[in-house]
Order: sequence, then C-alpha cells, then structure tokens
Amino acid sequence: KAGVTQTPRYLIKTRGQQVTLSCSPISGHRSVSWYQQTPGQGLQFLFEYFSETQRNKGNFPGRFSGRQFSNSRSEMNVSTLELGDSALYLCASSLEYRANEKLFFGSGTQLSVL
Amino acid sequence: GNSVTQMEGPVTLSEEAFLTINCTYTATGYPSLFWYVQYPGEGLQLLLKATKADDKGSNKGFEATYRKETTSFHLEKGSVQVSDSAVYFCALTISSGSARQLTFGSGTQLTVLP
Repeated sequence: KAGVTQTPRYLIKTRGQQVTLSCSPISGHRSVSWYQQTPGQGLQFLFEYFSETQRNKGNFPGRFSGRQFSNSRSEMNVSTLELGDSALYLCASSLEYRANEKLFFGSGTQLSVL
Repeated sequence: GNSVTQMEGPVTLSEEAFLTINCTYTATGYPSLFWYVQYPGEGLQLLLKATKADDKGSNKGFEATYRKETTSFHLEKGSVQVSDSAVYFCALTISSGSARQLTFGSGTQLTVLP
C-alpha cells in the first residue's frame, strides 16, 4: 500500500508569490491534516480535513488555506509569501477522525522563500 | 488549552546507554498520547501510543506509560543503538465537540554515538 505522497518535494519561491502544495493520503484514508515545521517554532498545526470538510484550524493567518477533494487528496495554498513561511510542510492522513488514531505522515515539502 | 512539554534537547548518549525523554501534558479532557519519531529527511512515524490511564505503549524496545496522576508519558529504552538517532515528538489528541485537537511537543533531538 502506498504511503502518504507529498508533491513537490522542494520548492523555491520569492516573496509575494503564492504556492500550492499537494498531498495524496493513503488509499482509503479520509482525514488529512497539515503541519508547518521550522527549527524555531517546531511542529505547528495548520488545519485538518475530513470528508472534504475543514474540521479544525490552527492559529495561522488567512493567507494559509486548504481544501480536500472527493478522493481525499488535499491541497494547501499560501498566498503573498513571506520570508517567514520558509519551512517544511508536512501532511498526515488517518483512516477516520478519532482521537486515538495514529497519523501517517508524508516526507514533506521543503519550501524556501527568497 | 492543551499543551505538551518535552525535555529540552539535544540529548547525546553512547550506544547501549539507558534513554529517558520526559513528556508532560495539560489537557481539557481525556487525551490519547503518542510518541512519534522523525529520521533525517523524512516525515514523522508513529513509535507507540496509549489511549487510557496506566496503558503502556511499546515498540522496538521503546516504552511509555500513560500516567494520569502525574500527567506524564515519558519515553524509555533500556539500550539505545546508533540507529535510534532521530528527533522524538510527544503528542496528544483529544476530541472537543466535533473537532480533533492535535498538539505536539517541541521535539527532542537524540544522537547516539558508537
């Protein structure tokens, strides 16, 4: 069974641009969550989707948005990029939406904003 | 709100040494507790979990016990190997209304020397 796939693996953008990251969950998984990982702030929760509905959102500005499609694939978008948006963006999936479920993580998209 | 506090790193040990990484939490409710591990260049993977008080999670020689009275979930391993070098994250999830709240600790970098 294929794992969680994130594309692209690396991305370089300049300030003011926008970017779209993609996440394909494990087949059959209906929940997808996104995280930003930086050396200074650690792992911060962005948002989570289940069955195409956003169920929870972290404390990030409105420039960060996401969506989930009917096949459970998810995208996140960051508009008007800032230098501080440089980070590893991780996506995770789970079968259902229960608190005791394990998350399966992708390898991430490394975004560099110049 | 919910929070997870992990032992500050980095931690450096010699091969076959005993490992403890402390983790304490605060939660409004009854959380499930997890330890995830991140190897260089990869996403996180579940190491072990516990979903109720006094449960012991174990995997690959690692163990952690859910202690409700001390709100702790310390990770231990009796004899570490060089291949255990990674970043370890303590995490909790809890159901709040219709949302699943996910909170990660700041991570502890472990380096094991031969």
